[in-house]
Amino acid sequence: NAGVTQTPKFQVLKTGQSMTLQCAQDMNHNSMYWYRQDPGMGLRLIYYSASEGTTDKGEVPNGYNVSRLNKREFSLRLESAAPSQTSVYFCASTWLAGGNEQFFGPGTRLTVL
Amino acid sequence: DAKTTQPPSMDCAEGRAANLPCNHSTISGNEYVYWYRQIHSQGPQYIIHGLKNNETNEMASLIITEDRKSSTLILPHATLRDTAVYYCIVRVAQNDYKLSFGAGTTVTVRA
Repeated sequence: NAGVTQTPKFQVLKTGQSMTLQCAQDMNHNSMYWYRQDPGMGLRLIYYSASEGTTDKGEVPNGYNVSRLNKREFSLRLESAAPSQTSVYFCASTWLAGGNEQFFGPGTRLTVL
Repeated sequence: DAKTTQPPSMDCAEGRAANLPCNHSTISGNEYVYWYRQIHSQGPQYIIHGLKNNETNEMASLIITEDRKSSTLILPHATLRDTAVYYCIVRVAQNDYKLSFGAGTTVTVRA
């Protein structure tokens, strides 16, 4: 039981490049989330998916798109990366929307030059 | 969601209890208090949550004041592995999204 997995662990992009961050969970959870964490800051919600087939914006959605590919997988895409998107990205999941315990992945450390 | 106030940092001796305070004076009647922690470079980890009553699990105890305007997370026997940033979060459990993480308290457990 791997929990929440994220790929890649590290990535360096040039301004304007695109990339997709992958997230998968094997706990049969219905809801999934993408957060970003800037140095010395708390986490901020980018997008979430309350259930398969639905996605909604969080606090800081600009510059990102998401896809809930199936119940297990939730990807985050940067279409045209900017230095302001340099951050650590965390994916999380819960059994139900509003579930008490969010399970987090290990994070993807992204640097945009 | 109600905002929370936590001290930026605190030290604790290994083996002693660590008491982490959190103020949430604007909490509403249907809002829960959650605690998460983040060990360096890892994803956050759920610790405990509560509404009114004190709660205990294998990791910690949560003491909520009677007026619910503040709470204390207690790590009964702190170890070096408990060194982390601890986040106190208030939210309505029925919300289908969003844990609002503030700056948290950086707890350093010293040998």
